[in-house]
Amino acid sequence: RKEVEQDPGPFNVPEGATVAFNCTYSNSASQSFFWYRQDCRKEPKLLMSVYSSGNEDGRFTAQLNRASQYISLLIRDSKLSDSATYLCVLSSGSARQLTFGSGTQLTVLP
Amino acid sequence: GAGVSQSPRYKVAKRGQDVALRCDPISGHVSLFWYQQALGQGPEFLTYFQNEAQLDKSGLPSDRFFAERPEGSVSTLKIQRTQQEDSAVYLCASRLTAGAAPEQYFGPGTRLTVT
Repeated sequence: RKEVEQDPGPFNVPEGATVAFNCTYSNSASQSFFWYRQDCRKEPKLLMSVYSSGNEDGRFTAQLNRASQYISLLIRDSKLSDSATYLCVLSSGSARQLTFGSGTQLTVLP
Repeated sequence: GAGVSQSPRYKVAKRGQDVALRCDPISGHVSLFWYQQALGQGPEFLTYFQNEAQLDKSGLPSDRFFAERPEGSVSTLKIQRTQQEDSAVYLCASRLTAGAAPEQYFGPGTRLTVT
């Protein structure tokens, strides 16, 4: 079983739609949680950190449930430029290396 | 501003050849990571340096993989006797500190194709 599980999609949604991604993880010792965004043939870039209290950054809302080992990302009013692969990521270990899910592909359609 | 740079950006190697991939981290960043990303998958951790010390190499898939960072800045990932399963994008990331700040900054990657 992979340490971080994500629905691979693809998710194809119209502009303006709200879309939600979910992710589960198995390592209860994980220290920090993130959503990264990766455009085609580009490097991953940090979208936002995820906290138990929930956090929002503009149209993006992230939530962490440590008891259920579950992370979510909600994108409201989706834009064409949101089309990308969204990676659920946690950090663990003394080096705080990152463990990535396989990613969920999102395409926002005009 | 200067981010993480990697070279070459693309590398085609015949099976059995040795390759060397270079990473220039952000200046002053203490931590450096190598990840391997296969097609359709998320990146997977290979190895970690704190300055010149390789503190974790648990992700290296075989003894054909070797990494170094002799002066605590530039790092090289070497793959000996490449195999087809080594075909992937190799990503380097750096982080300012050893532990506290979590954000890692990724380079553009080296796309390795073994034929």
